[in-house]
Amino acid sequence: DADVTQTPRNRITKTGKRIMLECSQTKGHDRMYWYRQDPGLGLRLIYYSFDVKDINKGEISDGYSVSRQAQAKFSLSLESAIPNQTALYFCATSDATGPAGYTFGSGTRLTVV
Amino acid sequence: AQSVTQLGSHVSVSEGALVLLRCNYSSSVPPYLFWYVQYPNQGLQLLLKYTSAATLVKGINGFEAEFKKSETSFHLTKPSAHMSDAAEYFCAVSIKNRAQKLVFGQGTRLTINP
Repeated sequence: DADVTQTPRNRITKTGKRIMLECSQTKGHDRMYWYRQDPGLGLRLIYYSFDVKDINKGEISDGYSVSRQAQAKFSLSLESAIPNQTALYFCATSDATGPAGYTFGSGTRLTVV
Repeated sequence: AQSVTQLGSHVSVSEGALVLLRCNYSSSVPPYLFWYVQYPNQGLQLLLKYTSAATLVKGINGFEAEFKKSETSFHLTKPSAHMSDAAEYFCAVSIKNRAQKLVFGQGTRLTINP
């Protein structure tokens, strides 16, 4: 099994619908992150979390919300999806020991029509 | 705040030729620097990282990068390109703090010509 698992892998949804992207990890890492990837823009941080009770906004949090249900689970919600939220979404984890870099999930490709 | 600029959204080289992907960063404090690779339909894989030890960093698959503080650069090189190197490459910067947020460049798509 992958260290960081994202579900679903692909999703098509309609404008205005609520959708949840899920992420679970077996790394035992305390920090979890949600990024979105757009062509020509690289990856941009949406939200990040140190633990269940410590959640922080990233640079592009508008239109998104998150929930850290447990140390191993971090979900991203689009309350009312819009077409410009069409993107590739990545979950990542890191631990507290230093700048080891992240462990990334395989991504969720979301299309809002 | 930190930022990263990758020069060239697309780079094309012949198989066996030198690969050079350019990355410049901005940081008000000593940075940590990373190169990630993304193969089609996959997540990001860490190629190498600079964490204030040796300035010349060797990574996987024959890649290396050199941290040059005076030039604020962290360019990625590989002496001889292989067809399997075709992918998108991302340079990223973070600093030593609690959040460990990674700030990414725009990405460079590398194409290898036979």
